[in-house]
Amino acid sequence: DAGVTQSPTHLIKTRGQQVTLRCSPKSGHDTVSWYQQALGQGPQFIFQYYEEEERQRGNFPDRFSGHQFPNYSSELNVNALLLGDSALYLCASSPEGGGRTGELFFGEGSRLTVL
Amino acid sequence: DAKTTQPTSMDCAEGRAANLPCNHSTISGNEYVYWYRQIHSQGPQYIIHGLKNNETNEMASLIITEDRKSSTLILPHATLRDTAVYYCIVESGTYKYIFGTGTRLKVLA
Repeated sequence: DAGVTQSPTHLIKTRGQQVTLRCSPKSGHDTVSWYQQALGQGPQFIFQYYEEEERQRGNFPDRFSGHQFPNYSSELNVNALLLGDSALYLCASSPEGGGRTGELFFGEGSRLTVL
Repeated sequence: DAKTTQPTSMDCAEGRAANLPCNHSTISGNEYVYWYRQIHSQGPQYIIHGLKNNETNEMASLIITEDRKSSTLILPHATLRDTAVYYCIVESGTYKYIFGTGTRLKVLA
């Protein structure tokens, strides 16, 4: 049973460009959350998708947007990249109907470097 | 959103119990406390969670004070593989976690 998978694992972009990161949730999970983790910091909540809609959002600008597909996979898009967007982007999945197990499953992340 | 406060770093001798404290004085009555750990740059890994009762699983024990303003994660017999950053988290919405900067635990041989 594959866990949460993310792609690409590493990528380099320049300021002003746009980037798309992808996530496939763990089998049986229908809720996907995205987190940004800057070097030396804890992960920061970006947003969460459930039933193909954004259900919760953290304190991130509109440059950060996302999408969830019918198969529950998700994309994170960041427009007009800034140097400060350099970070590890983590995807996490969870079962909506699974009760309060607390087991939010994280992928290994996509490391974005903005030059 | 409830905020957590943890010591920046701790050391623990291998085989001894590691006790990691966390302050969450602004926690609301229905907010859970979760603990995750992150090894190197891997994704965080779930350890344990609780509301107001003490909890134990195969990995650790969680002790929550009666007023719920603080908690302690206990790794009963720390091993070198337990070296990681440990995050105490208060859930601020369904699966919306507010991470702090965590405690960097180093287990010493």
